[in-house]
Formats: sequence, structure tokens, C-alpha cells
Amino acid sequence: EVQLVESGGGLVQPGGSLRLSCAASGFTFSDHYMDWVRQAPGKGLEWVARSRGKPQSYTTEYAASVKGRFTISRDDSGNSLYLQMNSLKTEDTAVYYCARGHIVGGIYYGMDVWGQGTTVTVSS
Amino acid sequence: DIQLTQSPSFLSASVGDRVTITCRASQGISSYLAWYHQKPGKAPKFLIYAASTLQSGVPSRFSGSGSGTEFTLTISSLQPEDFATYYCQQVNSYPITFGQGTRLEIK
Repeated sequence: EVQLVESGGGLVQPGGSLRLSCAASGFTFSDHYMDWVRQAPGKGLEWVARSRGKPQSYTTEYAASVKGRFTISRDDSGNSLYLQMNSLKTEDTAVYYCARGHIVGGIYYGMDVWGQGTTVTVSS
Repeated sequence: DIQLTQSPSFLSASVGDRVTITCRASQGISSYLAWYHQKPGKAPKFLIYAASTLQSGVPSRFSGSGSGTEFTLTISSLQPEDFATYYCQQVNSYPITFGQGTRLEIK
């Protein structure tokens, strides 16, 4: 079964750091684009960061709102995706989802598998 | 950034109804559009990609159309499990963006 399981969320003070993890199973993790998407309480979906797979040399992309503060990384040997979040702000409070990229003919078309999410609360 | 505007933002309908949700992009995105729905407390579910291709396992009552800047998601006969919030997403360029959502509720 294809599955993604996030962990690492919690309560952190403004300016603090947190590292989220996403454990993948049931597919060849290294081949896939992987994304982090967040959802603030009562709000819509916001894309956060992307890690392309081994065929694309693991290049990364970030939303402007997190660039320079968040770092996406992956450990293909452990089938895990990470999001290191530094200099956290109250507006980073959200449920964070990891998601697998849906690639057809080498083209990315969306996110076909999602984890259940992990909650990050930034508050003093 | 490419803005996606969904209409309506809220829709009330009955089981068996046919409903259509529109997603308009602020600039052309070819057919690089996906649709998801999300139930409260759950992760989004991938429904349609490339504007009109049904993801494996998604019921055929769902269909998508459009290209360029205007797209639609149609549910031909609403079922109880379809009541959720629907989002469009563009994957044409960075940053990837989502529409604000359409909340579909039971009348």
C-alpha cells in the first residue's frame, strides 16, 4: 500500500525551529517529486516546498513565504522526506502535509498521494 | 504568481444534482490544472489532472474540462460522499497555487 506518514509537529515559540518528517512506503521513493503543502486553520491549501527525485538531481523549489527559512531534504535510503523550519512565525501555524508528485510521461501533473498531516502551532 | 479564482465559493445542492465549479486562472496555464476535494479533518484527495484526466479509482461522475484560463469540474449526479470542499491547483509554473476552495454542502 502506498502511504505517507508525517510526524514532528508541535507547539513552538516564534523564532524557534522544528523539523517535520514524512515516512514513505509502498513505492520507489527516490523516483518521485515530493512536496510539502500546508493549511492554516480554517483556510485553504498553500504549497510550501518541493524536492524533485533522483532523476532530476534532487533539485528544490520554495514558496516565497518560506524561502530562506525552511529547507526541504530527503533520505532515499530511509524513504523519508523532511522539512526543517527555522525562524518560525505565527503565520506558519498550520497543518503540514507531505504529498507525492504525479508524473506522467515525465511531466508533473499534481499530487496523488497525501499523508494525514501534522500540526504546527507557533505561539508564545 | 498565477492566481486561481473559483466560483462559486459556496454551493448548496441535493443528492442526485448535477453541479459545476469553475476555476479561472490569472494567466494561461495550458492544461496544467488539477482538482482535489477535501473533507473536514482529512487530507485532500486527487481527482483530476491535466484538466480532464480522471485519476485512477475516481468515479466517472466526476469530469473536468477547459484549457488556458478557464476550467470546470462537473459532478453529474451528486452522492452523499461528494459533499466536501473542492480545490483547483495549477502546476504550470512556480509557485504552485491553489484556488480558494468551493464548499459544497447538502441542501
